[in-house]
Amino acid sequence: QKEVEQDPGPLSVPEGAIVSLNCTYSNSAFQYFMWYRQYSRKGPELLMYTYSSGNKEDGRFTAQVDKSSKYISLFIRDSQPSDSATYLCAMSSDSGGSNYKLTFGKGTLLTVNP
Amino acid sequence: GAVVSQHPSRVICKSGTSVKIECRSLDFQATTMFWYRQFPKQSLMLMATSNEGSKATYEQGVEKDKFLINHASLTLSTLTVTSAHPEDSSFYICSASLTLNRDPYEQYFGPGTRLTVT
Repeated sequence: QKEVEQDPGPLSVPEGAIVSLNCTYSNSAFQYFMWYRQYSRKGPELLMYTYSSGNKEDGRFTAQVDKSSKYISLFIRDSQPSDSATYLCAMSSDSGGSNYKLTFGKGTLLTVNP
Repeated sequence: GAVVSQHPSRVICKSGTSVKIECRSLDFQATTMFWYRQFPKQSLMLMATSNEGSKATYEQGVEKDKFLINHASLTLSTLTVTSAHPEDSSFYICSASLTLNRDPYEQYFGPGTRLTVT
């Protein structure tokens, strides 16, 4: 079992739809949970991060973490064509020292159609 | 702020040759830089972590003699793929952090370098 599982999609939605992206993980030591957006042939760009469990909202984006289920989600409200990209979840088990490497999911390719 | 650049953005080389990729932090000093590799439809996989002025730490399964990493200054790290083969063709991405003890989300990624070995 991979440490982080993410459905690669592709996911295609109409403009204005609510998008739900998810990842599951197996390492209970993960404490930091990040979502990155990656446009084609570009580097990842941090969207949101959450420490431990709970929800976090930033504009049209909401990140949720359920550590009991080892399940994280990213919701995008009122999706726009400019949201079309690959969304990567990433996790880390430590905040310092030499062990805070990021473990990424494969990414979900999202297309928002006008 | 926190801009990371990579050069070149794309490179094609012949099998057996070496290729150097540069990663620069443009507006901050990066004590720590990370090198990732991303195959099509796959996760970003960490290859190595480098701290300025010291040897890089490689992840399991990454050949340190094949992927030479140099972090000679606080704004520049280089990855040299030696004796490249077609299976080394991939998207190489670096990231930079102000210090080793920053929170894990405080890594800033470069735009990536597409390497094609023919």
